[in-house]
Amino acid sequence: GEDVEQSLFLSVREGDSSVINCTYTDSSSTYLYWYKQEPGAGLQLLTYIFSNMDMKQDQRLTVLLNKKDKHLSLRIADTQTGDSAIYFCAEGNSGGYQKVTFGTGTKLQVIP
Amino acid sequence: DTEVTQTPKHLVMGMTNKKSLKCEQHMGHRAMYWYKQKAKKPPELMFVYSYEKLSINESVPSRFSPECPNSSLLNLHLHALQPEDSALYLCASSQDREYEQYFGPGTRLTVT
Repeated sequence: GEDVEQSLFLSVREGDSSVINCTYTDSSSTYLYWYKQEPGAGLQLLTYIFSNMDMKQDQRLTVLLNKKDKHLSLRIADTQTGDSAIYFCAEGNSGGYQKVTFGTGTKLQVIP
Repeated sequence: DTEVTQTPKHLVMGMTNKKSLKCEQHMGHRAMYWYKQKAKKPPELMFVYSYEKLSINESVPSRFSPECPNSSLLNLHLHALQPEDSALYLCASSQDREYEQYFGPGTRLTVT
C-alpha cells in the first residue's frame, strides 16, 4: 500500500528558509500536495505539483519533486511566525478516483 | 464563495446519543469527503460521495452513517459512539474525484 513519511519536527528562526521533506512509495502517484494545518483548524491546501513536473514556485513557496527517488520538498522563503503549523504532504492518484494519502505531518516551529 | 463550512464547531455527546455533523459547500464541487483525524495524526478517509452517490466507504463502523441530500450538503449521522471515536471530523470537497480537495475547519467531537 501507499506510505508517505515526513520528519516530525522542524525549528527555524524567523526570516530564514524552511525546508520540509517528504518521501512516498507509490510510483503511480499523479499529484503531490502540501497542506498546512494550524492548531484546532482544518487543512489548507498550499500548493500541488503534477508528477510530470520537477519544480513549482508560488510566491514564498517552492516545491521540488525528485520522482526517481520519490522525494518531495517544500521550501518556505523568509519564514514568518504565522507559518508555524503542521505541514502534511499528500499523494494522490487519478484514474477514476482521487484517493489521497497523507504523510505523518511535520510540525514547523518558527522562533522570533 | 470558496470555502467549506462545518457545523457544529464542537460537539460533546454521550454514548447513547444521536447527533449529526453538517458540511456545506457552494463551489459547485461534485465530490465530498469525510475524514477522521486523531490528535497528532494525519487525516484518515472515511467516506467519499461523488455526484451525491456514496462511492467509497473505508470500512467504517455502522455507527457512522453518511448522507448527501444534495450536491452542496453532506451530513454524518452519529449513533452509539464509543469514547475512541473522539476526534476532529473533517469534511472536504473537490471539483470532481480527480481534483484537489478543499477542507472545512472540522468538528471537534468528544464522546463521553
